Amino acid sequence: DAGVIQSPRHEVTEMGQEVTLRCKPISGHDYLFWYRQTMMRGLELLIYFNNNVPIDDSGMPEDRFSAKMPNASFSTLKIQPSEPRDSAVYFCASSLGPGNQPQHFGDGTRLSIL
Amino acid sequence: SQQGEEDPQALSIQEGENATMNCSYKTSINNLQWYRQNSGRGLVHLILIRSNEREKHSGRLRVTLDTSKKSSSLLITASRAADTASYFCATDAVGGGYNKLIFGAGTRLAVHP
Repeated sequence: DAGVIQSPRHEVTEMGQEVTLRCKPISGHDYLFWYRQTMMRGLELLIYFNNNVPIDDSGMPEDRFSAKMPNASFSTLKIQPSEPRDSAVYFCASSLGPGNQPQHFGDGTRLSIL
Repeated sequence: SQQGEEDPQALSIQEGENATMNCSYKTSINNLQWYRQNSGRGLVHLILIRSNEREKHSGRLRVTLDTSKKSSSLLITASRAADTASYFCATDAVGGGYNKLIFGAGTRLAVHP
């Protein structure tokens, strides 16, 4: 079975540009999570969806970040405008449940904002 | 704030030795999970232990949970170079809001041939 697929794997862009990260969850998984990983702050949950509906976006750092899940097989995380402090590895994960089931992670998008 | 904190932050051992990593957390939990992350890759789920369980095994992995001490340990027996990775505990806190997982900062394990 295909795992969680993220694209692009690497993104380098200049400050102020719009960045769009993409995720395809595992088929049949009702929960989708977006995380950000940095050396300073570790792994942080940004937002998660259940059946395509955002449930908890309390981890989204500010209005420059937005996430959508238009259907069960696709989600995007958008940053507009991007800033150097947004540089991090962004992970998407999917699961059959919220906190009581294993989460399956993609290999992440390494984002560098110059 | 982080719910789970791993100890030690880094561990270096020889192949064949056992590796023990600890995780402490602050509030009551529904379950605790352990994940592995190889360099440049996503996290991989290893094992889930529920609050009413005390010990679970999976291959060379042994996880214990002590809810009275709010701590868990992950033991990797007969370690291999391929076990070199970062290991994270994640907790599903009771009343944590929407049952989301909170990850610790991780233990970096290096297994030398």
